[in-house]
Amino acid sequence: NAGVMQNPRHLVRRRGQEARLRCSPMKGHSHVYWYRQLPEEGLKFMVYLQKENIIDESGMPKERFSAEFPKEGPSILRIQQVVRGDSAAYFCASSPASQETQYFGPGTRLTVL
Amino acid sequence: GENVEQHPSTLSVQEGDSAVIKCTYSDSASNYFPWYKQELGKRPQLIIDIRSNVGEKKDQRIAVTLNKTAKHFSLHITETQPEDSAVYFCAVQGAGFQKLVFGTGTRLLVSP
Repeated sequence: NAGVMQNPRHLVRRRGQEARLRCSPMKGHSHVYWYRQLPEEGLKFMVYLQKENIIDESGMPKERFSAEFPKEGPSILRIQQVVRGDSAAYFCASSPASQETQYFGPGTRLTVL
Repeated sequence: GENVEQHPSTLSVQEGDSAVIKCTYSDSASNYFPWYKQELGKRPQLIIDIRSNVGEKKDQRIAVTLNKTAKHFSLHITETQPEDSAVYFCAVQGAGFQKLVFGTGTRLLVSP
């Protein structure tokens, strides 16, 4: 049973470009969460999605960031016009239902030059 | 919103010693408390968790205790080994919420 998958594992972008991060939840999991981890810091919640719905985006910056979890395919976290402060590790987690254990993917390490 | 404090930020022990990491939280309605271990460059991995209807849970060398009255919970690792060296994060999930609020992490170093 494959775990949570994320790609790419490493992403380099220049300032002003767009970054697209993908997350495929564990089989049977329909709840997806995105967290951001700055260097030497803890994880900060960004957004919680179920299929085709954003349930909680209270941790998402109001501008440049968006997330989706379509009926078919992976969840995508999109960052437009990236800035150096967006450099971080972005982790996706999934769970089979709400209030259940969250399992993390390997993360995407975004570097903005 | 929920606020989670974690102490200590670094912890150095000798192999075979015990290690204890403590977290406090602010929302008395919080009901789920997982602990994650993160090795350098790797994903956070769940090592143990506890729900608010339980006071203590143990899994081999790892245990978690929860004091709901005082709003704190602790991770206990006995007979530490060098491979226990990592950063450990506590997290809290509130009732009716799905997001996890994480502590700031404890860097554990186990010396042979």
